[in-house]
Amino acid sequence: RKEVEQDPGPFNVPEGATVAFNCTYSNSASQSFFWYRQDCRKEPKLLMSVYSSGNEDGRFTAQLNRASQYISLLIRDSKLSDSATYLCAVNQGGGYQKVTFGTGTKLQVIP
Amino acid sequence: NAGVTQTPKFQVLKTGQSMTLQCAQDMNHEYMSWYRQDPGMGLRLIHYSVGAGITDQGEVPNGYNVSRSTTEDFPLRLLSAAPSQTSVYFCASGLAGRYEQYFGPGTRLTVT
Repeated sequence: RKEVEQDPGPFNVPEGATVAFNCTYSNSASQSFFWYRQDCRKEPKLLMSVYSSGNEDGRFTAQLNRASQYISLLIRDSKLSDSATYLCAVNQGGGYQKVTFGTGTKLQVIP
Repeated sequence: NAGVTQTPKFQVLKTGQSMTLQCAQDMNHEYMSWYRQDPGMGLRLIHYSVGAGITDQGEVPNGYNVSRSTTEDFPLRLLSAAPSQTSVYFCASGLAGRYEQYFGPGTRLTVT
């Protein structure tokens, strides 16, 4: 099993829809979790950090399920500008070098 | 603040050539790192540094060297370029203990 796994998608959703992605991790000792957004041919940009059960920022909600070892990202009222690839990152403990990135989930919001 | 800057944006090398990718940050972050991103592989850690004078290897260090003489700069050296090093290279930085990383705009490297 990969350390961090994401469904590559693409998820094609209409504007205004709610969409959710999951990211599973294999190391139960993982301590902190992150979602990054990456636009085509650009760098990843930090979207949200998840240190406890969850975090909310406007239309975006991240949740952590330690029992099932996954984090989720929920996007409400999708905008065309939300189209991007969403990467999750998991700190497996022991420093920055233990942060593992998933390969990303591609979201395409359709007019 | 400029954040994390990288130069060059694009580079084409011939097999066997060497070069240095530059990375600088002005956020006074202790941690800096280099990743490569290849299709289907995600971001893979090449080398990292937890402070000036301290560097260590990541997941895929072979063929690359780093040094960190100042807090701000963290150059990545390709010793003898190979086609397998064709990739997009990202530099990142972060505060000690936070694990949130801030990425530079990347360098697209092609080795022929």
